[in-house]
Amino acid sequence: KAGVTQTPRYLIKTRGQQVTLSCSPISGHRSVSWYQQTPGQGLQFLFEYFSETQRNKGNFPGRFSGRQFSNSRSEMNVSTLELGDSALYLCASSLAGTGSREQYFGPGTRLTVT
Amino acid sequence: DAKTTQPTSMDCAEGRAANLPCNHSTISGNEYVYWYRQIHSQGPQYIIHGLKNNETNEMASLIITEDRKSSTLILPHATLRDTAVYYCIVRVLRTGANNLFFGTGTRLTVIP
Repeated sequence: KAGVTQTPRYLIKTRGQQVTLSCSPISGHRSVSWYQQTPGQGLQFLFEYFSETQRNKGNFPGRFSGRQFSNSRSEMNVSTLELGDSALYLCASSLAGTGSREQYFGPGTRLTVT
Repeated sequence: DAKTTQPTSMDCAEGRAANLPCNHSTISGNEYVYWYRQIHSQGPQYIIHGLKNNETNEMASLIITEDRKSSTLILPHATLRDTAVYYCIVRVLRTGANNLFFGTGTRLTVIP
Protein backbone atom coordinates (compact mmCIF):
# COMPACT_ATOMS: atom_id res chain seq x y z
CA LYS A 1 0.00 0.00 0.00
CA ALA A 2 1.43 3.38 -0.97
CA GLY A 3 2.19 5.78 1.85
CA VAL A 4 1.18 9.39 2.28
CA THR A 5 2.51 11.54 -0.51
CA GLN A 6 3.05 15.27 -0.44
CA THR A 7 3.82 17.62 -3.29
CA PRO A 8 5.90 19.52 -3.87
CA ARG A 9 8.73 18.40 -1.62
CA TYR A 10 10.52 21.74 -1.71
CA LEU A 11 9.25 25.21 -2.44
CA ILE A 12 10.71 28.71 -2.37
CA LYS A 13 8.37 31.68 -2.27
CA THR A 14 8.63 35.40 -1.69
CA ARG A 15 6.99 37.36 1.12
CA GLY A 16 3.45 38.36 0.24
CA GLN A 17 2.88 35.49 -2.16
CA GLN A 18 0.51 32.62 -1.55
CA VAL A 19 1.21 28.91 -1.71
CA THR A 20 -0.77 25.69 -2.05
CA LEU A 21 0.51 22.36 -0.78
CA SER A 22 -1.00 19.00 -1.62
CA CYS A 23 -1.39 15.77 0.31
CA SER A 24 -2.63 12.38 -0.88
CA PRO A 25 -3.53 10.09 2.02
CA ILE A 26 -3.12 6.34 2.20
CA SER A 27 -5.84 4.60 0.22
CA GLY A 28 -8.91 4.14 2.41
CA HIS A 29 -7.91 6.79 4.92
CA ARG A 30 -10.49 9.52 5.25
CA SER A 31 -8.88 11.80 7.81
CA VAL A 32 -6.08 14.17 6.87
CA SER A 33 -4.28 16.38 9.37
CA TRP A 34 -1.73 19.08 8.71
CA TYR A 35 1.17 20.11 10.94
CA GLN A 36 3.80 22.83 10.80
CA GLN A 37 7.31 22.15 12.09
CA THR A 38 9.78 24.92 12.82
CA PRO A 39 13.00 24.87 14.88
CA GLY A 40 11.54 27.36 17.33
CA GLN A 41 8.00 26.03 17.83
CA GLY A 42 8.45 22.35 17.04
CA LEU A 43 5.57 20.34 15.59
CA GLN A 44 2.26 22.17 15.77
CA PHE A 45 -1.17 21.04 14.66
CA LEU A 46 -2.79 23.17 11.96
CA PHE A 47 -6.11 21.48 11.15
CA GLU A 48 -7.81 18.20 10.37
CA TYR A 49 -10.22 17.32 7.59
CA PHE A 50 -12.61 14.42 7.44
CA SER A 51 -15.22 13.83 4.73
CA GLU A 52 -14.44 17.20 3.17
CA THR A 53 -15.15 19.03 6.44
CA GLN A 54 -12.74 20.68 8.80
CA ARG A 55 -13.40 19.09 12.19
CA ASN A 56 -10.50 20.35 14.25
CA LYS A 57 -8.32 23.44 14.09
CA GLY A 58 -5.13 24.57 15.77
CA ASN A 59 -4.13 28.06 16.82
CA PHE A 60 -3.02 29.56 13.53
CA PRO A 61 -4.12 32.78 11.79
CA GLY A 62 -6.74 32.78 9.07
CA ARG A 63 -4.01 33.02 6.41
CA PHE A 64 -3.72 29.26 6.83
CA SER A 65 -6.58 27.37 5.26
CA GLY A 66 -7.26 23.99 3.81
CA ARG A 67 -9.75 21.82 2.08
CA GLN A 68 -10.39 18.19 1.35
CA PHE A 69 -11.76 16.67 -1.81
CA SER A 70 -14.19 13.78 -2.22
CA ASN A 71 -11.27 11.38 -2.86
CA SER A 72 -9.80 12.43 0.54
CA ARG A 73 -6.89 14.30 -1.03
CA SER A 74 -6.24 17.53 0.79
CA GLU A 75 -4.67 20.87 0.09
CA MET A 76 -3.53 23.59 2.41
CA ASN A 77 -3.09 27.19 1.41
CA VAL A 78 -1.10 29.95 3.01
CA SER A 79 -1.82 33.46 1.82
CA THR A 80 0.29 36.59 2.22
CA LEU A 81 3.38 34.63 3.15
CA GLU A 82 5.62 35.87 5.94
CA LEU A 83 9.23 34.95 6.66
CA GLY A 84 8.06 33.07 9.74
CA ASP A 85 6.02 30.71 7.58
CA SER A 86 9.24 29.03 6.50
CA ALA A 87 8.81 25.52 7.83
CA LEU A 88 8.37 21.86 7.11
CA TYR A 89 4.67 21.21 6.49
CA LEU A 90 3.60 17.68 7.29
CA CYS A 91 0.46 15.87 6.38
CA ALA A 92 -0.82 12.81 8.22
CA SER A 93 -3.62 10.43 7.33
CA SER A 94 -5.60 8.03 9.44
CA LEU A 95 -8.63 5.79 9.29
CA ALA A 96 -11.96 7.20 10.33
CA GLY A 97 -13.67 6.06 13.46
CA THR A 98 -13.87 6.93 17.09
CA GLY A 99 -10.40 8.31 17.51
CA SER A 100 -8.00 6.90 15.01
CA ARG A 101 -5.19 5.05 16.69
CA GLU A 102 -2.30 5.66 14.36
CA GLN A 103 -1.50 8.54 12.10
CA TYR A 104 0.76 8.04 9.13
CA PHE A 105 2.88 10.99 8.13
CA GLY A 106 4.13 12.00 4.73
CA PRO A 107 7.68 13.21 4.05
CA GLY A 108 6.64 16.84 4.24
CA THR A 109 6.96 19.93 2.07
CA ARG A 110 9.80 22.24 3.00
CA LEU A 111 8.71 25.81 2.37
CA THR A 112 11.23 28.62 2.35
CA VAL A 113 9.96 32.20 2.30
CA THR A 114 12.45 34.85 1.26
CA ASP B 1 -4.68 16.33 26.66
CA ALA B 2 -2.15 15.79 29.47
CA LYS B 3 1.31 17.31 29.26
CA THR B 4 4.38 15.08 29.06
CA THR B 5 7.96 15.58 30.21
CA GLN B 6 10.90 13.87 28.54
CA PRO B 7 14.68 14.22 28.83
CA THR B 8 16.13 16.41 26.13
CA SER B 9 18.68 13.89 24.93
CA MET B 10 20.06 10.42 25.54
CA ASP B 11 22.82 8.25 24.17
CA CYS B 12 22.74 4.49 23.73
CA ALA B 13 25.40 2.04 22.56
CA GLU B 14 24.56 0.12 19.43
CA GLY B 15 23.13 -3.31 20.24
CA ARG B 16 22.09 -2.32 23.76
CA ALA B 17 18.57 -1.62 24.92
CA ALA B 18 17.45 2.01 24.78
CA ASN B 19 15.10 2.99 27.59
CA LEU B 20 13.32 6.30 27.00
CA PRO B 21 11.34 7.66 29.97
CA CYS B 22 8.28 9.87 29.90
CA ASN B 23 6.43 11.53 32.77
CA HIS B 24 2.71 12.23 32.43
CA SER B 25 1.64 12.79 35.99
CA THR B 26 -1.64 14.53 35.07
CA ILE B 27 -2.86 11.78 32.78
CA SER B 28 -6.58 11.06 32.89
CA GLY B 29 -8.13 7.63 33.03
CA ASN B 30 -9.22 7.68 29.39
CA GLU B 31 -5.96 8.99 27.95
CA TYR B 32 -3.63 6.74 26.01
CA VAL B 33 0.16 6.98 25.85
CA TYR B 34 1.54 7.16 22.32
CA TRP B 35 5.08 7.14 21.05
CA TYR B 36 6.23 8.51 17.72
CA ARG B 37 9.71 9.10 16.41
CA GLN B 38 11.10 11.41 13.79
CA ILE B 39 14.26 10.59 11.94
CA HIS B 40 16.03 13.65 10.62
CA SER B 41 14.06 15.49 7.93
CA GLN B 42 11.39 12.80 7.69
CA GLY B 43 7.79 12.73 8.85
CA PRO B 44 7.08 11.28 12.31
CA GLN B 45 6.58 7.53 12.51
CA TYR B 46 4.13 5.79 14.82
CA ILE B 47 5.83 3.32 17.18
CA ILE B 48 3.40 2.04 19.80
CA HIS B 49 0.61 3.05 22.14
CA GLY B 50 -1.03 1.76 25.31
CA LEU B 51 -3.60 2.54 27.98
CA LYS B 52 -2.77 0.57 31.12
CA ASN B 53 -1.08 -2.66 30.22
CA ASN B 54 2.41 -3.10 28.87
CA GLU B 55 2.52 -3.43 25.11
CA THR B 56 5.00 -4.94 22.69
CA ASN B 57 5.23 -4.91 18.91
CA GLU B 58 7.92 -5.56 16.36
CA MET B 59 9.49 -2.16 16.96
CA ALA B 60 9.43 -1.64 20.71
CA SER B 61 7.94 -2.31 24.12
CA LEU B 62 5.95 0.15 26.19
CA ILE B 63 5.99 -0.14 29.96
CA ILE B 64 3.38 1.92 31.83
CA THR B 65 3.59 2.22 35.61
CA GLU B 66 0.67 1.01 37.67
CA ASP B 67 -0.36 4.57 38.59
CA ARG B 68 0.03 5.53 34.91
CA LYS B 69 1.99 8.65 35.81
CA SER B 70 5.00 7.58 33.78
CA SER B 71 6.04 5.19 31.05
CA THR B 72 9.16 3.88 29.34
CA LEU B 73 9.69 3.07 25.70
CA ILE B 74 12.17 0.26 25.21
CA LEU B 75 14.03 -0.40 21.99
CA PRO B 76 15.49 -3.82 22.78
CA HIS B 77 18.52 -3.76 20.48
CA ALA B 78 19.24 -0.25 19.31
CA THR B 79 20.76 0.23 15.86
CA LEU B 80 22.23 3.30 14.23
CA ARG B 81 18.95 3.70 12.31
CA ASP B 82 17.14 4.26 15.61
CA THR B 83 18.87 7.62 16.01
CA ALA B 84 15.92 10.01 16.03
CA VAL B 85 13.78 12.32 18.15
CA TYR B 86 11.26 10.32 20.16
CA TYR B 87 7.98 11.92 21.18
CA CYS B 88 5.76 10.74 24.02
CA ILE B 89 2.18 11.94 23.55
CA VAL B 90 -0.83 11.49 25.79
CA ARG B 91 -4.24 11.77 24.19
CA VAL B 92 -7.85 10.80 24.39
CA LEU B 93 -9.27 8.70 21.61
CA ARG B 94 -12.40 10.46 20.43
CA THR B 95 -14.02 11.34 17.18
CA GLY B 96 -12.78 14.62 15.82
CA ALA B 97 -9.65 14.60 17.93
CA ASN B 98 -6.91 13.49 15.62
CA ASN B 99 -4.67 16.38 16.60
CA LEU B 100 -1.44 15.27 18.21
CA PHE B 101 0.34 17.58 20.63
CA PHE B 102 4.05 17.03 20.17
CA GLY B 103 6.37 18.29 22.89
CA THR B 104 10.10 18.69 22.45
CA GLY B 105 10.81 14.96 22.60
CA THR B 106 14.02 13.10 23.41
CA ARG B 107 16.85 13.13 20.92
CA LEU B 108 18.27 9.60 21.02
CA THR B 109 21.72 9.09 19.57
CA VAL B 110 22.85 5.51 19.02
CA ILE B 111 26.61 5.29 19.22
CA PRO B 112 28.59 2.68 17.27
